[in-house]
Amino acid sequence: GEEVAQTPKHLVRGEGQKAKLYCAPIKGHSYVFWYQQVLKNEFKFLISFQNENVFDETGMPKERFSAKCLPNSPCSLEIQATKLEDSAVYFCASSQFGGVEQPQHFGDGTRLSIL
Amino acid sequence: TQLLEQSPQFLSIQEGENLTVYCNSSSVFSSLQWYRQEPGEGPVLLVTVVTGGEVKKLKRLTFQFGDARKDSSLHITAAQPGDTGLYLCAGRLNKFYFGSGTKLNVKP
Repeated sequence: GEEVAQTPKHLVRGEGQKAKLYCAPIKGHSYVFWYQQVLKNEFKFLISFQNENVFDETGMPKERFSAKCLPNSPCSLEIQATKLEDSAVYFCASSQFGGVEQPQHFGDGTRLSIL
Repeated sequence: TQLLEQSPQFLSIQEGENLTVYCNSSSVFSSLQWYRQEPGEGPVLLVTVVTGGEVKKLKRLTFQFGDARKDSSLHITAAQPGDTGLYLCAGRLNKFYFGSGTKLNVKP
C-alpha cells in the first residue's frame, strides 16, 4: 500500500495480559522502525528491521518486548505481561532505504492502554 | 536526559507572527529531520538536512542545520492557524533520536 497501516488503532489490556500490535509498511520499503511515544511527546526508539532481519534492537526492553517482520506478513510488536508503564502510543515507520537522508513514513499509531 | 533538547516546549501566537523553534544537542548528527505531528496521527516529514550550515526553505518555513551539525532551527514566517501542531526534530546517529517536541498553537 501507499501508507503505513497500523492495527488496531486502540488496544486496551488489563495489567499482566499480552498485547500484540501490527504494522504493514509501505510496499517496497525495506526498513521498518518501531517507536513508543509517551505522554510528554517523547519518541523512544525501540527496534528496526531491514526486511525480516533485526537491524537495531538497542531500544528494546530486554524482557517482555519482542518484534518480528516475517515475509508476506505484517510486522508485529508483542508485549508480554503488560505493565501500567507500557501505556503509550506505539508508532511504526518505514523507509525505502537506510541512507541518512531517507525519510521515515509513519503510521497513525496504536494507542495501548493498560488498566 | 534527552539527547536533543527542543525549545520552547509550548508556543501560542497570533496569526501573522513569526516564530523560531530550536533543536540543540552536544552530539554531532549525520542528518537531522523535522516533522510535524497532528493529534491522532503519525509525524509527517517536513525536511531533512545533511550538510553543516545547510538552509532549506519550504514555503514559509526555513530550516537551518548548524555548522557543526549539532543543532538546528525552524523558522516560520507569518504563521497561520494551519501551522498548529507538534513540531519534532530527529537527529540521526546510529539510529534516530527525537526531541521532546514544540507544541505550536496559532490563533486566528
